[in-house]
Amino acid sequence: ETGVTQSPTHLIKTRGQQVTLRCSSQSGHNTVSWYQQALGQGPQFIFQYYREEENGRGNFPPRFSGLQFPNYSSELNVNALELDDSALYLCASSADRATYGYTFGSGTRLTVV
Amino acid sequence: GNSVTQMEGPVTLSEEAFLTINCTYTATGYPSLFWYVQYPGEGLQLLLKATKADDKGSNKGFEATYRKETTSFHLEKGSVQVSDSAVYFCALDNQGGKLIFGQGTELSVKP
Repeated sequence: ETGVTQSPTHLIKTRGQQVTLRCSSQSGHNTVSWYQQALGQGPQFIFQYYREEENGRGNFPPRFSGLQFPNYSSELNVNALELDDSALYLCASSADRATYGYTFGSGTRLTVV
Repeated sequence: GNSVTQMEGPVTLSEEAFLTINCTYTATGYPSLFWYVQYPGEGLQLLLKATKADDKGSNKGFEATYRKETTSFHLEKGSVQVSDSAVYFCALDNQGGKLIFGQGTELSVKP
């Protein structure tokens, strides 16, 4: 069991740019969710992928998009970055959420300047 | 809609003190309830969970009981340690794996 790995750990981008964050889940984890955690707040659900298809979305605009790949990795893409996108982005994966719940990665700290 | 409310922090305790962190929720149906812990610079770790009314989740000396009548899931520990210092998040899952978190409660335990 290798856990959930996110990359990069820290990132600085300029307003208006695009960014791709990556997540590598454990083998067999066919569900992955992405969360945004602003400083001092609880994580907010962005979207979930199940077997490479989007399976629910939170209250985030379309410039937040994602992909899930057959090798249990996934991406979060954010276009036209805004200052308020500065946050910790967390990836969480599960093989069977009812039994095991979700395993979270350590996150990517994105700063938009 | 679904929501989770936690007691505000920071909570500062002396080592071996009793801990309670209050959590109440609003949800339709029968959500699963969770406590997650976040240590500085790290992601979230599942601490304990309960999936139905009157279930008690427990782990590492922490406990929480799913109380449907009071819509609560308060976290307790009989004797805290310095190593328990972290931010604790209460969360619910009522929509197929989309966790809804409270705002977090910071716990600081002094020796």
